[in-house]
Amino acid sequence: NAGVMQNPRHLVRRRGQEARLRCSPMKGHSHVYWYRQLPEEGLKFMVYLQKENIIDESGMPKERFSAEFPKEGPSILRIQQVVRGDSAAYFCASSLNPGELFFGEGSRLTVL
Amino acid sequence: KQEVTQIPAALSVPEGENLVLNCSFTDSAIYNLQWFRQDPGKGLTSLLLIQSSQREQTSGRLNASLDKSSGRSTLYIAASQPGDSATYLCAVRPGHTDKLIFGTGTRLQVFP
Repeated sequence: NAGVMQNPRHLVRRRGQEARLRCSPMKGHSHVYWYRQLPEEGLKFMVYLQKENIIDESGMPKERFSAEFPKEGPSILRIQQVVRGDSAAYFCASSLNPGELFFGEGSRLTVL
Repeated sequence: KQEVTQIPAALSVPEGENLVLNCSFTDSAIYNLQWFRQDPGKGLTSLLLIQSSQREQTSGRLNASLDKSSGRSTLYIAASQPGDSATYLCAVRPGHTDKLIFGTGTRLQVFP
């Protein structure tokens, strides 16, 4: 049973470009969470999704960030018009709610 | 607002020592508490999950306790090894939400 798969593992973008981060949950898990870890800071909740639904997006910045979890395929975290402050590690987790969360290896975004 | 604090922020010990890592949270209305390990540049590995109705969980050399009323959890590591070197994160799930609130972690170094 493969774990939570995230790609790309590393992504470099120039200011103003778009970043797309993908997450495939563990087999059988229909609950996906995105967290962001800024350098030398803790993990901060961004968004919680179930298939085709955003359940809680209270941690998402109001602009430029969006997330989806379609009926088929991985969950996508999209960041438009990236700025240097978006440089961080973005982690995806999945669960059989309300159970234990399992995290992926993360996607490390660097904005030049 | 739930806040999670971990002390110490960093710990360096010789191999073989028994360790106690502390986690405190401000709101005792939690659903569960989870301890994770994070290696540099890597994702999070779930170590132990304690439900709010439980007092402790054990896995190998690890033992986690939960005192919900006082807002505390401890992670006990017996006979520490250099391979235990990592950052240990505590996270609580508030009772009314599906997201985890993380502490900033304890960075552990075990030297031979």
